[in-house]
Amino acid sequence: RKEVEQDPGPFNVPEGATVAFNCTYSNSASQSFFWYRQDCRKEPKLLMSVYSSGNEDGRFTAQLNRASQYISLLIRDSKLSDSATYLCVVINSNSGYALNFGKGTSLLVTP
Amino acid sequence: DAGVIQSPRHEVTEMGQEVTLRCKPISGHDYLFWYRQTMMRGLELLIYFNNNVPIDDSGMPEDRFSAKMPNASFSNLKIQPSEPRDSAVYFCASSLEARVGVGELFFGEGSRLTVL
Repeated sequence: RKEVEQDPGPFNVPEGATVAFNCTYSNSASQSFFWYRQDCRKEPKLLMSVYSSGNEDGRFTAQLNRASQYISLLIRDSKLSDSATYLCVVINSNSGYALNFGKGTSLLVTP
Repeated sequence: DAGVIQSPRHEVTEMGQEVTLRCKPISGHDYLFWYRQTMMRGLELLIYFNNNVPIDDSGMPEDRFSAKMPNASFSNLKIQPSEPRDSAVYFCASSLEARVGVGELFFGEGSRLTVL
């Protein structure tokens, strides 16, 4: 079982919709959490960190639930350019800086 | 500024051949990571270096894989002998000491390897 699990999707949503992805992690020693974005046939890029109190960056909101061991990403007013794969990333306190990636959730925003 | 530079971008080789993938990290970055991505397994960490020293190589699949970082501006990943199951996109990423803890890795464009 992979340490970081995501629903692969695809999530097909119309422009302007709100969409949310969840990610679960199995290691309770996980201490740092991030969302990366990967466009088709491109490299992954950091989208945002996830803080314990939740955080927002424009249309994007990230939440962490340590008790249930999941993180979420909410995208409001989705744009065509949001179409990509969203990767959940975890760092465990006992593994240095080994960033552990989920397999990603695919989002397609349609006109 | 130049980002992380990887070469070759594409390689097609036959089973049993040696493959060498190269990476030039962003100048001044202290950390260098090698990842492999496949549809089946997603992004898997192979090895990472801090100040040219390998810190965690637990993700290296087997003895056929080796990675070196002889200096701060170059790393290579070798597969010898290569097998069809090694076909994947291999990404190199680098980061600063001050930023790696907040997950800020800069990835290269990847090397797409096909082993026939």
